[in-house]
Amino acid sequence: SAVISQKPSRDICQRGTSLTIQCQVDSQVTMMFWYRQQPGQSLTLIATANQGSEATYESGFVIDKFPISRPNLTFSTLTVSNMSPEDSSIYLCSVEVPKGNTEAFFGQGTRLTVV
Amino acid sequence: GQSLEQPSEVTAVEGAIVQINCTYQTSGFYGLSWYQQHDGGAPTFLSYNALDGLEETGRFSSFLSRSDSYGYLLLQELQMKDSASYFCAVELRGSTLGRLYFGRGTQLTVWP
Repeated sequence: SAVISQKPSRDICQRGTSLTIQCQVDSQVTMMFWYRQQPGQSLTLIATANQGSEATYESGFVIDKFPISRPNLTFSTLTVSNMSPEDSSIYLCSVEVPKGNTEAFFGQGTRLTVV
Repeated sequence: GQSLEQPSEVTAVEGAIVQINCTYQTSGFYGLSWYQQHDGGAPTFLSYNALDGLEETGRFSSFLSRSDSYGYLLLQELQMKDSASYFCAVELRGSTLGRLYFGRGTQLTVWP
C-alpha cells in the first residue's frame, strides 16, 4: 500500500491568485496522477506526472492553468493558476498501481475555495 | 474519450441488498474498478474486474461483462456506514495502471 500526504488540506483563496498543492508519497513511484473533484461531482483526471519529463494533460486541461512539477520519485506539486470561483474543487493526487495489484491509493485531497 | 453511466442515487434499508450498475464506452478497455467515498474523504478501493465474472470480497461483490460493456457492484447486508458515494472507474489498455476515468458516482443512502 502507499501512504499519500497532501498539503494544504484546505484553503480559501482570492480570485486571480495561484495555489500550489503538494503531494508526498512514502515510496518511490514512477507515475503520479492529479484529479479534480468539483462539488458533488466525480473525479476527473487532470494530468499524469512522470518524473523527469513534462506532465501529460487530459483533454480540457492545460499546462498554463495547471502547471505540475515532479522533482523526484516521491513528490509532486500541482499549481492552480489565476484562480476563479469555477476552480473551487477538491484536488486529489494518486499514484500508479504496481503490476499485480489492483488498488489505487489517494491522498486525502485539498479542498480549495476561490472567493 | 471515456463515458461511464451509473445511477445518481440509490436508497435501501439496513440489511438489504443493493446493486449499482455501470455501463461504459471506452477505447481500449482494460479493467473496471469500484471505489467508495464518504463525504470529505478520499476514495477507497472496493473491487476490481479485468475478466468477465464475479469477484467477491466480503459483503461486496463486483461483476463484469466485457461483451456488454457492463458491470455492477453488489452490496449485501447493508449497514448505515455504507451510506456513501460509489464510483465505477475504467482503466485503459496500454495505460499506466491506476490511471482511472471515473463515472459520475452513485449516492447510496441506507436507512435504519
